[in-house]
Amino acid sequence: DSGVTQTPKHLITATGQRVTLRCSPRSGDLSVYWYQQSLDQGLQFLIHYYNGEERAKGNILERFSAQQFPDLHSELNLSSLELGDSALYFCASSDRQDLRRAFFGQGTRLTVV
Amino acid sequence: GNSVTQMEGPVTLSEEAFLTINCTYTATGYPSLFWYVQYPGEGLQLLLKATKADDKGSNKGFEATYRKETTSFHLEKGSVQVSDSAVYFCALSVWGGGSQGNLIFGKGTKLSVKP
Repeated sequence: DSGVTQTPKHLITATGQRVTLRCSPRSGDLSVYWYQQSLDQGLQFLIHYYNGEERAKGNILERFSAQQFPDLHSELNLSSLELGDSALYFCASSDRQDLRRAFFGQGTRLTVV
Repeated sequence: GNSVTQMEGPVTLSEEAFLTINCTYTATGYPSLFWYVQYPGEGLQLLLKATKADDKGSNKGFEATYRKETTSFHLEKGSVQVSDSAVYFCALSVWGGGSQGNLIFGKGTKLSVKP
C-alpha cells in the first residue's frame, strides 16, 4: 500500500459527460501529480500541484482541469468526454523529505462508451 | 526536450535467467533516473533510482547505473523469478527550467518469466 488513495477505482460513462477523479496523497506530502496511461500514448504527465498551487502542466487537454484543496486532496475534472479519453489515470505524491521519490495510487480506470 | 527510450517488449525469460532492459535518455539539465514496476492491476512502484552520474541504484536484486557518457540507465538482474513478471518503466525527472519533478516515462517493457 503506497498510502495514496484514488477513487473511484473504475468509472464507466458516456461520451459528452463530465467526471471527477479524486486523489488523497500520503499524509504530509504536499505535491500531487496526475498522469494518464493509455495504450496509444503510454504514461503521460498531466499536471502538478504543490500545496494548493498549480506548478506545472504537461499534456493536459483544455477539457481537463484539476485543483488541490486545503486538506491537500486533489481532483481531476474531465469534461466533454470522448472515446479517446478512456485510460488509466494515476495520481502520485512526492515524499516531503525526498521530492524525487514518488508514490503512486492504484489508479482510476475510466471507460468512455 | 526530455525523453526516455527503452527497449520494446515483450521479453520472455526462463526462471533464473539474466535480465537486461535497455534504457537511454535525453535531458536538459541534470536528471534523476528511475525504474518503476507495474504489476497487473496495480499502480506503479518505485524499484530503484539514481540521482547523479555513476550512482548505482539497487533493490530486490535489480541494479541500474547512471551512465552520463552514454546517457543510459539499463536495468539488470542476475537471476529472475516468476514473481518478477510485470511491466517495467524507465523514467526521468528534472527540476528547474519549467519542470517540477514530473516524471517522463519510457513506453514500458513487459517481462514474462516462465518456470
